[in-house]
Amino acid sequence: GNSVTQMEGPVTLSEEAFLTINCTYTATGYPSLFWYVQYPGEGLQLLLKATKADDKGSNKGFEATYRKETTSFHLEKGSVQVSDSAVYFCALSDVSTNAGKSTFGDGTTLTVKP
Amino acid sequence: DAGVTQSPTHLIKTRGQQVTLRCSPKSGHDTVSWYQQALGQGPQFIFQYYEEEERQRGNFPDRFSGHQFPNYSSELNVNALLLGDSALYLCASSLDAGRTDTQYFGPGTRLTVL
Repeated sequence: GNSVTQMEGPVTLSEEAFLTINCTYTATGYPSLFWYVQYPGEGLQLLLKATKADDKGSNKGFEATYRKETTSFHLEKGSVQVSDSAVYFCALSDVSTNAGKSTFGDGTTLTVKP
Repeated sequence: DAGVTQSPTHLIKTRGQQVTLRCSPKSGHDTVSWYQQALGQGPQFIFQYYEEEERQRGNFPDRFSGHQFPNYSSELNVNALLLGDSALYLCASSLDAGRTDTQYFGPGTRLTVL
């Protein structure tokens, strides 16, 4: 079956530091890949997505590239801000096999200190 | 354009009771999926509703049931509550039974079982 593995957290960075959160996946079909962000007490917000190999998703300074050869979708940001503190979830959705059911990683908590 | 809405925001129940959670999808969406997010974990897929029928189901017992109404809104029912059912319950909407890959999440209902 499908699965997503994220780097274990928590991650603590100083403002303006470079961020990488690793994500690898296992899928039987051709999934779309997503990063979601969850702020305290809130639901999930879609941060970015990529639908096929070598696509790069980007939003709000975050980016991730769909790497089929390494089955990875690592999240990066060049300069984090305190407001980026949240939990980040990597996920996949394979419409060819699971009609849109999403599989999530366990999340990585990011804390950015001023 | 209203996003996904859920009610209630918080709920406290005792073991053995029954609970009903409600979800209204994003305008124009016809598919509703429910997820359970335990503390410190990623969301786990419960089931998906399309055309008022359950189309897919995750690894959850029959105590978890649902319904979709003609206006596409949905309910999640949980019977015989257990302490382990305490979680954030997320509703996600999408279009066309998930044949489009992007889901939009509501803010969730926090269920506490005492």
